[in-house]
Amino acid sequence: GAVVSQHPSWVICKSGTSVKIECRSLDFQATTMFWYRQFPKQSLMLMATSNEGSKATYEQGVEKDKFLINHASLTLSTLTVTSAHPEDSSFYICSVPDIRRYEQYFGPGTRLTVT
Amino acid sequence: AQSVTQLGSHVSVSEGALVLLRCNYSSSVPPYLFWYVQYPNQGLQLLLKYTSAATLVKGINGFEAEFKKSETSFHLTKPSAHMSDAAEYFCAGVAGGTSYGKLTFGQGTILTVHP
Repeated sequence: GAVVSQHPSWVICKSGTSVKIECRSLDFQATTMFWYRQFPKQSLMLMATSNEGSKATYEQGVEKDKFLINHASLTLSTLTVTSAHPEDSSFYICSVPDIRRYEQYFGPGTRLTVT
Repeated sequence: AQSVTQLGSHVSVSEGALVLLRCNYSSSVPPYLFWYVQYPNQGLQLLLKYTSAATLVKGINGFEAEFKKSETSFHLTKPSAHMSDAAEYFCAGVAGGTSYGKLTFGQGTILTVHP
């Protein structure tokens, strides 16, 4: 399967600042990538769909102006958490779907801590 | 709408004992179903997947799952638990077609293996 990387793996930032998280598909071109959020001791919740060449689509309840997504190329999607607050502290995971194999390839995740 | 329910947030077994993790789904269309494993602070690793080809699916590390449409279930089993199986397990589902990739996750089950 494809290899998906995320950078950084862990970031600590102060409240009010912005943080950018990168998701790279190293050997698989993806017109679509997904961003999930996982709060401690909870399951993964889909936040948004990143679309190459068009705007991202957000799930209900996710603020698009707060979580900016840019699908810069077929192998890179970025998630920027703007004006971060402590309640944004979470584990953010991206995935790349492979429709032909009915699989998704997940990144290792980025742990965001906002102080 | 798709929903996935995992019965039991914690399961504890002895090393060498049978592992049974329960998953039920509800869907208006035949789903694709997956089991993932997550180790602390890591992304998700695919254990196995059901894509309507065969109802009994064998995965990695000795795990298998059986799709039972009449019971809307997709329980994960392993005949003999190993200490390295201790992790959190997620059942997930997705409808096919254009929404492929938008996974709905169950709540997760933490598996503890005692020596």
